[in-house]
Amino acid sequence: EVQLVESGGGLVKPGGSLRLSCAASGFSFSSYSMNWVRQAPGKGLEWVSSISSSASSTSFIYYADSVKGRFTISRDNAENSLSLQMNSLRAEDTAVYYCARWEGRGSHYFFDYWGQGTLVTVSS
Amino acid sequence: DTQLTQSPSSLSASVGDRVTITCRASQSISNYLNWYQQKPGKAPKLVIYAASSLQSGVPSRLSGSGSGTDFTLTISSLQPEDFATYYCQQSYTTPQTFGGGTKVEF
Repeated sequence: EVQLVESGGGLVKPGGSLRLSCAASGFSFSSYSMNWVRQAPGKGLEWVSSISSSASSTSFIYYADSVKGRFTISRDNAENSLSLQMNSLRAEDTAVYYCARWEGRGSHYFFDYWGQGTLVTVSS
Repeated sequence: DTQLTQSPSSLSASVGDRVTITCRASQSISNYLNWYQQKPGKAPKLVIYAASSLQSGVPSRLSGSGSGTDFTLTISSLQPEDFATYYCQQSYTTPQTFGGGTKVEF
């Protein structure tokens, strides 16, 4: 069974840092591109960052403009773990952060498995 | 970035109703359009990918259609478990983007 379990959320002051983790199990983690998607309280979904799999023909890391230069995505395939280092946090970063697997069928890609989410609150 | 506009933002319906949700893209995205269902306090769940392909395990009363810039998600006969918020998402351009969501409520 595919499982994605996020951790590391909490309350942090503006300008502070936080590191989120996502523990993956039940699938070949290294073979899949992975993502972070967030959802501010009462709001819609916002893609945050993507990192390619080891199997990708071209490696990539992408960030939303809203987090570029402040957030860093990384993965440890040996530990089946995805991370998001968040620096210079702002109130508008307050959200539930989901880890999501990026699956492809033919040329079509989508988020097929999601974690339960971890809440990050940025407030003084 | 490709913008996705969903309409309506919310709708009231009853069990057994036929429900249609629209998603319009700011540029042509072929059929690179996915739909997710989200219930309160839960993670989103993929229901439709590639505009019209039903994800495994999703009931056939949900269907998707469209290509280019205009897409629809239809629930043929609304069931109690279908009350949720639905989001469209495009994977044609980077960054992938989501629509604003449509809340289906009683």
